[in-house]
Amino acid sequence: SSELTQDPAVSVALGQTVTITCQGDSLGTFYASWYQQKPGQAPLLVIYGKNNRPSGIPDRFSGSTSGNTASLTITGAQADDEADYYCNSRDSSANHRVFGAGTKVTVL
Amino acid sequence: QVQLVESGGGVVQPGRSLRLSCAASGFTLSNHAMHWVRQAPGKGLEWVAVMSYEGNDQYYVDSVKGRFTVSTDNSKNTLYLQMNSLRAEDTAVYYCVRELVEVAGGTHYWYFDLWGRGTLVTVSS
Repeated sequence: SSELTQDPAVSVALGQTVTITCQGDSLGTFYASWYQQKPGQAPLLVIYGKNNRPSGIPDRFSGSTSGNTASLTITGAQADDEADYYCNSRDSSANHRVFGAGTKVTVL
Repeated sequence: QVQLVESGGGVVQPGRSLRLSCAASGFTLSNHAMHWVRQAPGKGLEWVAVMSYEGNDQYYVDSVKGRFTVSTDNSKNTLYLQMNSLRAEDTAVYYCVRELVEVAGGTHYWYFDLWGRGTLVTVSS
């Protein structure tokens, strides 16, 4: 099965821009989706596909893909964006799904 | 109201069984692929299993294959996860999740748009 690799943690100053990456072989075939999870809460979809935001997600969240790497960018990070972020995709078999290990974003 | 509500979690001894339920409301379960995702305490998300659209196929992560079974009762609009031969490493919050598919320009996008609040399973003697 495939794996998705994420950096464990990243920090960003309030109002600045941060990019989280997710690397994996399956991303050359399938788009990633991104989920925000705050302590004690269920994950929340923030980006899917090429660069699609569900209703209610601020436009400071954006996504992109290049080769086998998907990226989630927060432009003008807010204190409320402090959370764990997970990428997800179908694996190479296309039947299973796989999550990255998650990136903890700290807003300073 | 569109929502998923899990139940059935609890404390169980190693080697025993437990069945989780996920009641869907506001939409028809069989019209979507439905997944179970778990999260061990302090750890990341792990995909566990999927019941495909219309219930034709089921797939599992290797660590639960042969022990867990996903099923549905369409009359109750409910998804289940039968967990047998439970191990300490199965301890986690189990989430029921709906998957949507969009097609744009010939490309398919799959994503998890609706999550339940989760139910905690603790495997301990």
